[in-house]
Amino acid sequence: EDQVTQSPEALRLQEGESSSLNCSYTVSGLRGLFWYRQDPGKGPEFLFTLYSAGEEKEKERLKATLTKKESFLHITAPKPEDSATYLCAVGNPTSGSRLTFGEGTQLTVNP
Amino acid sequence: DVKVTQSSRYLVKRTGEKVFLECVQDMDHENMFWYRQDPGLGLRLIYFSYDVKMKEKGDIPEGYSVSREKKERFSLILESASTNQTSMYLCATHSNQPQHFGDGTRLSIL
Repeated sequence: EDQVTQSPEALRLQEGESSSLNCSYTVSGLRGLFWYRQDPGKGPEFLFTLYSAGEEKEKERLKATLTKKESFLHITAPKPEDSATYLCAVGNPTSGSRLTFGEGTQLTVNP
Repeated sequence: DVKVTQSSRYLVKRTGEKVFLECVQDMDHENMFWYRQDPGLGLRLIYFSYDVKMKEKGDIPEGYSVSREKKERFSLILESASTNQTSMYLCATHSNQPQHFGDGTRLSIL
């Protein structure tokens, strides 16, 4: 059974204070690791897909990295508009298009 | 851009009612999903569908059923609503990765 654990559950940062969110996973063959951003009252919005260890993806102040056991979402010099819940999910080759989600990290960036 | 539309943002129903949640997508995607999202539990898969009239149980199908008569529409049905089905319900579609989500229906069962 695939498992995804995200830490911390909640993170408060000051504007400009860089940090990282963690996503640890156990999967029987990784088909992809996905990062989503979710704003209050909205559905998750896709950010990145990572497929193999060593891969990195960047978008504005966000950078996602992947190892064989975990993924990090690095946030550089965050702004208040980066406040959201960040979700991590994994898929495996035998599960078709199903994903297993973590519980998310709620990020608050204070001005 | 993929557009996934859920028919209601907020819905209040009574215990024992039959409740229909509708999801429509405009991208001709084969795969559609229904999740519920609860604090501390994350997103949990209720049902999914790979094609018209096809359905598969997810991790928590009890108390729910689904219908997919047309490719673009996937309905979630609460046969007899109970208070423990109060939750945020999210629909998603998928053809090639990644899954795309609607904005959710916040359902309250009184």
